[in-house]
Amino acid sequence: QVQLVQSGAEVKKPGASVRISCGASGYSFTNFPIHWVRQAPGQRLQWVGWINTALGKTVYSQNLQDRVTFSRDTSTNTAYMELRGLRSEDTAIYYCFRLYYNAAWDWGQGTPVTVSS
Amino acid sequence: QSVLTQPPSVSAAPGQKVTISCSGSTSNIGNNDVSWYQQLPGTPPKLLIYENTKRPTRIPDRFSGSRSGTSATLGITGLQTGDEAEYFCATWDTSLDVRVWVFGGGTNLTVL
Repeated sequence: QVQLVQSGAEVKKPGASVRISCGASGYSFTNFPIHWVRQAPGQRLQWVGWINTALGKTVYSQNLQDRVTFSRDTSTNTAYMELRGLRSEDTAIYYCFRLYYNAAWDWGQGTPVTVSS
Repeated sequence: QSVLTQPPSVSAAPGQKVTISCSGSTSNIGNNDVSWYQQLPGTPPKLLIYENTKRPTRIPDRFSGSRSGTSATLGITGLQTGDEAEYFCATWDTSLDVRVWVFGGGTNLTVL
C-alpha cells in the first residue's frame, strides 16, 4: 500500500537549518506531486509548498519562500524539505502528503521540529 | 487569519447528525474542488471527502460532503464518540499569481 515515511524528530538552535525527508513507496513516485505543510502547537495547518516530483519544479508559500527549498531524488523515491534560518516560530510538526484527485490523499507520519536555544 | 472560515467548534449527542461549514470565495471554493480531513490528536490528518462529495473507499457513508457557491459542508450522521476530532477543509486558491493550497481553521467536534 502507499506509504510516506518521514525522517525523525529534530531539535535545532535558532539560525540553524533542518532537512526533512519523505520516502514514498507503493505507487509511482514521479506521477504525483508532494506537498509540505506544518502545524505549530495548537495551531491550524499551514501550507509550505509543493514539488513536481517528475520535473523538480517547486512552488513555495510567500511567507517561507526565502528560507525553504524542496528537492527530490527519483532514484530513492524521496522528497526533501530544507528550512534555513530557523526561528522559534518554526517549531512545528512538518508533514508531507501526496496530492491525488486534488486532495491530500496520503500523509507522512509527521516530523516534529523544535527550535530552541 | 485563514482564507477558509470554519466554526471553531460544534457538538452533538451520540447518534445525532452534525454539519460543519467551510466558507470561502470565488478564488478558492467557488472554482476549485474541496476536500475534508479528520485529525485525531497526535496523528496526521486523514482524508474523508475529496472532489466536494466523494469518499475514499475506506470512509463510511456516515460522512458526506457538499459544495454550493463559495461554501462547502461536511456532514456526519450517527455520531460516535470516536468521531471526536478536529475537522478541516482544504482547496486550491488562485487569488495570487500562483495556485496555493489553503486550509480552513479547523472545527473541533465534541460528541456529548
